[in-house]
Amino acid sequence: GQNIDQPTEMTATEGAIVQINCTYQTSGFNGLFWYQQHAGEAPTFLSYNVLDGLEEKGRFSSFLSRSKGYSYLLLKELQMKDSASYLCAVGDSNYQLIWGAGTKLIIKP
Amino acid sequence: IAGITQAPTSQILAAGRRMTLRCTQDMRHNAMYWYRQDLGLGLRLIHYSNTAGTTGKGEVPDGYSVSRANTDDFPLTLASAVPSQTSVYFCASSDHGDSYNEQFFGPGTRLTVL
Repeated sequence: GQNIDQPTEMTATEGAIVQINCTYQTSGFNGLFWYQQHAGEAPTFLSYNVLDGLEEKGRFSSFLSRSKGYSYLLLKELQMKDSASYLCAVGDSNYQLIWGAGTKLIIKP
Repeated sequence: IAGITQAPTSQILAAGRRMTLRCTQDMRHNAMYWYRQDLGLGLRLIHYSNTAGTTGKGEVPDGYSVSRANTDDFPLTLASAVPSQTSVYFCASSDHGDSYNEQFFGPGTRLTVL
């Protein structure tokens, strides 16, 4: 079967750095996405990886290792507005996205 | 319209009733999707359409039907609602129907079936 694993919940302090991990087992690999979802709102795109390595976009970076079936999202200089759920999604052999259940990130002052 | 819209925002429905959730996008995207999101589970694909006139089944299609008569609209119909269909439903679109393209999401419809 296909599976995406993420921690259910993480807590971090404002101004700090947090790393959210995602491991996947899918039939094929056609890209990995990270989305942010605030409570009661729609998911919004954060990052996309298709090759191994680190993609940096401002305070957010995403890393991919295809051989290990592993990705992480790194958030720096945390702000209260970063309190949200972070969803990892992988494109499978049918080019459909398989979604993890999401990691709820709680930021404390 | 800017982006992707859904209607209604929320709905309470008696079991056995028929219901259509509406979705419209103005980005001229080829592909559109319907997902359901339940607590503790990832988004699950119900149906998709890679281009107007074509549709496909996702992971959880039973009890749902879709149509794609034109590029902009992608309605989702529950023929006879059951309580297990209580969920938040998101419509999404992307430029093309492959997983290399970012998906844009509508604001969601919160559906309760009693």
